[in-house]
Amino acid sequence: TQLLEQSPQFLSIQEGENLTVYCNSSSVFSSLQWYRQEPGEGPVLLVTVVTGGEVKKLKRLTFQFGDARKDSSLHITAAQPGDTGLYLCAGAYNQGGKLIFGQGTELSVKP
Amino acid sequence: DAGVIQSPRHEVTEMGQEVTLRCKPISGHDYLFWYRQTMMRGLELLIYFNNNVPIDDSGMPEDRFSAKMPNASFSTLKIQPSEPRDSAVYFCASSLGQGPKAFFGQGTRLTVV
Repeated sequence: TQLLEQSPQFLSIQEGENLTVYCNSSSVFSSLQWYRQEPGEGPVLLVTVVTGGEVKKLKRLTFQFGDARKDSSLHITAAQPGDTGLYLCAGAYNQGGKLIFGQGTELSVKP
Repeated sequence: DAGVIQSPRHEVTEMGQEVTLRCKPISGHDYLFWYRQTMMRGLELLIYFNNNVPIDDSGMPEDRFSAKMPNASFSTLKIQPSEPRDSAVYFCASSLGQGPKAFFGQGTRLTVV
């Protein structure tokens, strides 16, 4: 059972465009993380959101946690080729550090 | 500051052989996770430990898979006997406390032929 649905699965855009990736679930999470993974490497943590409605910014990346703590979005402004990679959302329940990952969004930014 | 260290980076083995993957978590972290990543299924949690004790192994696919954490600085994931469908990238991750900010190793790419 896939508890976290990410969309879109694949996204190919031109440099300078904006994009939004969505992460949805029917479950309530205590926190949600976004990771970025490059080929041949492990996922690297970008941000953790904890409070419903929380918005965090990391340079050109904006992360939002839904009010009900069931969904999240990642918005990238003026995408650059260096943003290319696999973006993963992961939700945590209250019981310990167990993370459930979405399937990921494969982003390709062409110069 | 050393991150999570996994070995080997790549492993090619024949079907039926035993495979052992190794992980050294970040010093001081009390949670350790083993994940498997495939194109079809994405990142799947296999098992995780808290203070060296297995907490949830419900993701371990079969009895052929076993994991141990004899001390706070070392864990192994063993597959015996290995099968071609076990081919995947296996990640180890560690975190500190209840806050699930997991730090991942670079992974072991396993190919079973």
